Amino acid sequence: AQSVAQPEDQVNVAEGNPLTVKCTYSVSGNPYLFWYVQYPNRGLQFLLKYITGDNLVKGSYGFEAEFNKSQTSFHLKKPSALVSDSALYFCAVRDMIWDNFNKFYFGSGTKLNVKP
Amino acid sequence: EAQVTQNPRYLITVTGKKLTVTCSQNMNHEYMSWYRQDPGLGLRQIYYSMNVEVTDKGDVPEGYKVSRKEKRNFPLILESPSPNQTSLYFCASYQKGWPTEAFFGQGTRLTVV
Repeated sequence: AQSVAQPEDQVNVAEGNPLTVKCTYSVSGNPYLFWYVQYPNRGLQFLLKYITGDNLVKGSYGFEAEFNKSQTSFHLKKPSALVSDSALYFCAVRDMIWDNFNKFYFGSGTKLNVKP
Repeated sequence: EAQVTQNPRYLITVTGKKLTVTCSQNMNHEYMSWYRQDPGLGLRQIYYSMNVEVTDKGDVPEGYKVSRKEKRNFPLILESPSPNQTSLYFCASYQKGWPTEAFFGQGTRLTVV
């Protein structure tokens, strides 16, 4: 079965420090992986995705993510955190196996707190 | 502008009073989906639709109905809401085929008293 795990409910980091939000996945076929951000009272906004190719994917707002097939991980990273990065982050996998062609599976979310 | 529009944004209702949350997308996407978001549980899929007149249950369909009579619209219907359906609801749409991202609406915060 397809699944996504975000092991940390909350991540605290000081402004200017690097940040990492962890995600591990389990899929039957090829992993198509996504990161979304949710600001208070807003919908989910797409940040970046891994489909194939380079294991380091760059996305919006200076975020990047590293795909690691052997560890089945897709961690979100940013070299220097901003207070405005404080939000809820979701990792997701899109199941493209025929019987579940349409489904996204989401992690439980990680709240990122960036302190001044 | 490509967008998914949900209405209303906020809704307070009483137990048993039927309600509909509308969702519309302007990207000609084949797939549309409804999720509910609850603390600690992430996003759980309620129903999805692969195209007009084609819908199927997600992970938590009990107490909900949907319809897809037009490609752009995918309303969520609660025939007899109960307090355990108090939640934040999101509609999403995405393209068939290549694994593109999903686009989300702004959300509907529903409170059932």
